[in-house]
Amino acid sequence: DFQLTQSPSSLSASVGDRVTITCRASQSINRYLNWYQQKPGKAPKLLIYVGTGLQSGVPSRFIGSGSGTDFTLTISSLQPEDFATYYCQQSYGTPWTFGQGTKVEIK
Amino acid sequence: EVQLVESGGGLVHPGGSLRLSCAASGFAFTSFGMNWVRQAPGKGLEWISYIDSPSQTIYYSDSVKGRFTTSRDNAKNSLFLQMNNLRDEDTAVYYCARDNWEISVGTFDYWGQGTPVTVSS
Repeated sequence: DFQLTQSPSSLSASVGDRVTITCRASQSINRYLNWYQQKPGKAPKLLIYVGTGLQSGVPSRFIGSGSGTDFTLTISSLQPEDFATYYCQQSYGTPWTFGQGTKVEIK
Repeated sequence: EVQLVESGGGLVHPGGSLRLSCAASGFAFTSFGMNWVRQAPGKGLEWISYIDSPSQTIYYSDSVKGRFTTSRDNAKNSLFLQMNNLRDEDTAVYYCARDNWEISVGTFDYWGQGTPVTVSS
């Protein structure tokens, strides 16, 4: 199975901060890495697909990068509505797997 | 507007069975594969099953293989998850999610609101 490790597990940041979350795969997954945002009590929402693609309707402050085993989700200027948990997920091979999540909290 | 609405969750004893449904609307259901993803209380996301449009390809995670069965009725725009021999560790919110093969099979672009399943004696 393709294991995904996210770091950090949680972070505190202020509105306007630049935030970076990393996701490392146990082996190369090419660019097949997606990012989701989940708010408490809600379903996840697709933000970034295949490494760098911005899902329709998602603000451009969400930026995905990386390939192979190392990927990054950057929020260029954190907004109040961005406080949530973020998950990476690989679509390279089944079983499709998720990272353990990164909780972004208000400082 | 794409909508996915799960139903059928509830409280069941260990060893029992439950059948979840997911009603789809707002898109051409027959053109997309579908997935089930679950989330145990306070935990992360776990993909458990995929079914392609003609129901020819069905995948399961090892954690549910042999106990859960995914099916769909394209005429009724519906997805199902038959869960048998339920265990405590199956307690979770169960989401159905559309698979966007145009991006990459295994990319979940729309999700339902989830239905909770509690396995407890």
